[in-house]
Formats: sequence, C-alpha cells, structure tokens
Amino acid sequence: DTAVSQTPKYLVTQMGNDKSIKCEQNLGHDTMYWYKQDSKKFLKIMFSYNNKELIINETVPNRFSPKSPDKAHLNLHINSLELGDSAVYFCASSQDRTSSSEETQYFGPGTRLLVL
Amino acid sequence: AQSVTQLGSHVSVSEGALVLLRCNYSSSVPPYLFWYVQYPNQGLQLLLKYTSAATLVKGINGFEAEFKKSETSFHLTKPSAHMSDAAEYFCAVSAPGRRALTFGSGTRLQVQP
Repeated sequence: DTAVSQTPKYLVTQMGNDKSIKCEQNLGHDTMYWYKQDSKKFLKIMFSYNNKELIINETVPNRFSPKSPDKAHLNLHINSLELGDSAVYFCASSQDRTSSSEETQYFGPGTRLLVL
Repeated sequence: AQSVTQLGSHVSVSEGALVLLRCNYSSSVPPYLFWYVQYPNQGLQLLLKYTSAATLVKGINGFEAEFKKSETSFHLTKPSAHMSDAAEYFCAVSAPGRRALTFGSGTRLQVQP
C-alpha cells in the first residue's frame, strides 16, 4: 500500500492551460503539504493544510489553489500555466499529535510537470 | 527564520570509504533537523532526525548525524559507502510551531566502484 500517492506522475501541457494534481494519504495524518522542486533540485514549501484548514501559504501566485476535501486528500489546481511552473511537485503528510514541527513528513513520489 | 546551508553540491567517494555530507543551519529558536534522501525519480525518504533527545542520531542504512549547537552543524556520516548510497541528500530544518520544512540545496553523492 502506498502511504502518500499522487496522480498523475507525469503531466505535459501547453502554456495557458489549467491542470490539477491530486494527492491522497492513507496514514491517518492530520497535516498535508505541497512542495515544489525546481530544475536545480531546490525544494520549497508552497502550502500546508491541517485538518482541511490552510495554515501556510508561502507567497505562491494565486494561480495556484490548493483544495482539501477531507483530511486524507490535498489537491493542487493551477490556472493559466506558465513556463516557469515546470517543476516536480511533491505532496507530503505528517501526524500532528502535539502541533509539533518535529513530526516526520512522508513524501509522495512527485508529479513531474512540464509546461511547453 | 530558519535556513540551511549544504556545503558541496557534489560529493564523490569510493565504495567502502567514509561518507561525510555537511549541513549548517541558522535558526533563532532551537531547531528540529532532518536528513532526507532522494533516489532518482523518486520522492524523499527520511534518513534521520534530531529533535533534542540526543545529539548523536542514528538513522537508516547505517547513516548517523551529530547535532553540534556550538558549530550550528548537523553533518551526515556513514563509515563505509555502498554503491546503493548514490542519491541526492537534503538537510532540512523546522522550528517549533511552524509545520513546514526549509531545505538546503542538496548534495549529490556519487559512489565510485
């Protein structure tokens, strides 16, 4: 059983299109995240949700809209895709027993987005 | 605010040699520190983490790291490299109350036969 899964694994699309990436975790975790990894492998937090509530939004363009229908799912919708959006997007989740940031984050396999 | 610096974007060692990957952090509060490994075309997997319980932390696959507050360092070591250790390694920091990781730029480890 995959703990954190993402679909699709690869996404190739044209500039200006709108696309969504889905993430699901079966670990029973309370907190989910989206990270972006650029072409130089640099990883940066985009969003964090705790019990379906947005808790971190790191100066991401408003073309990016996360949605958490329930604790186990966190989707990422991107409007009007731009060349610079090409990257690998990772979903992650963690337990939140004490609202502590020491909890291990478990990562999905990533979604490789290429905007042409 | 926290930050992480990983010295050396590429490290190459011979199989059986010592692995040393450097990580220095900056944090205004006592940090939590993590090492993650990323194999090609895969997600990140936790190797080990420091959460103030013990300064020498042992992780998976024979890796360990020592938290040195005076040097603001959390270097990753392994006594004997194996070919399967070839991967990208990321050091990350989080601060109490902030449930997000701040990553270093990563170090690619190559293991030569």
